[in-house]
Amino acid sequence: DAKTTQPTSMDCAEGRAANLPCNHSTISGNEYVYWYRQIHSQGPQYIIHGLKNNETNEMASLIITEDRKSSTLILPHATLRDTAVYYCIVTDNFGNEKLTFGTGTRLTIIP
Amino acid sequence: GAVVSQHPSWVICKSGTSVKIECRSLDFQATTMFWYRQFPKQSLMLMATSNEGSKATYEQGVEKDKFLINHASLTLSTLTVTSAHPEDSSFYICSAWSGEQFFGPGTRLTVL
Repeated sequence: DAKTTQPTSMDCAEGRAANLPCNHSTISGNEYVYWYRQIHSQGPQYIIHGLKNNETNEMASLIITEDRKSSTLILPHATLRDTAVYYCIVTDNFGNEKLTFGTGTRLTIIP
Repeated sequence: GAVVSQHPSWVICKSGTSVKIECRSLDFQATTMFWYRQFPKQSLMLMATSNEGSKATYEQGVEKDKFLINHASLTLSTLTVTSAHPEDSSFYICSAWSGEQFFGPGTRLTVL
């Protein structure tokens, strides 16, 4: 699986959009970009994933650059409950694929 | 959405004893389940991949005789930490695959 690079930590004001970047310059053509988050002392929670098109669901939007070497997760209106560690993971979607978690970005939402 | 449960949610045991952690997929069947371990302020580290009806595949550096994994049915995988020691104290998380990975809430193990 391709390696990902994320900032160690970020702060965002409550109610504002939180934009979390991820670099995955070695991504291959069949690899998807997945985002999970982990709230303290809980299991990871799936947020969103995409291949090359931008994706949106009820939780977030995922913007993938045209060359697919980076992506941005957008939480449109951050709340205090969005404080968590956010993991960007690149993996192919074939079979029962294990996930390799990096260090992630610790996002703190500030009141 | 798919739900994965773990039991117990936390456990405290004495050094030298064995502890069993259960991982269940509640509303779907999973041929593959994964076991992760997370130490404080660190990321999740995959320990092993559990396939129903066959032996688990362990990651490098994980002792298969110490961390026994059984995946006897399509909805249940168990992790037994044998002869636990304080350095085994950690947050153990399972996930079940059904098109994507769904994670359990984790089990916090403290070995005294």
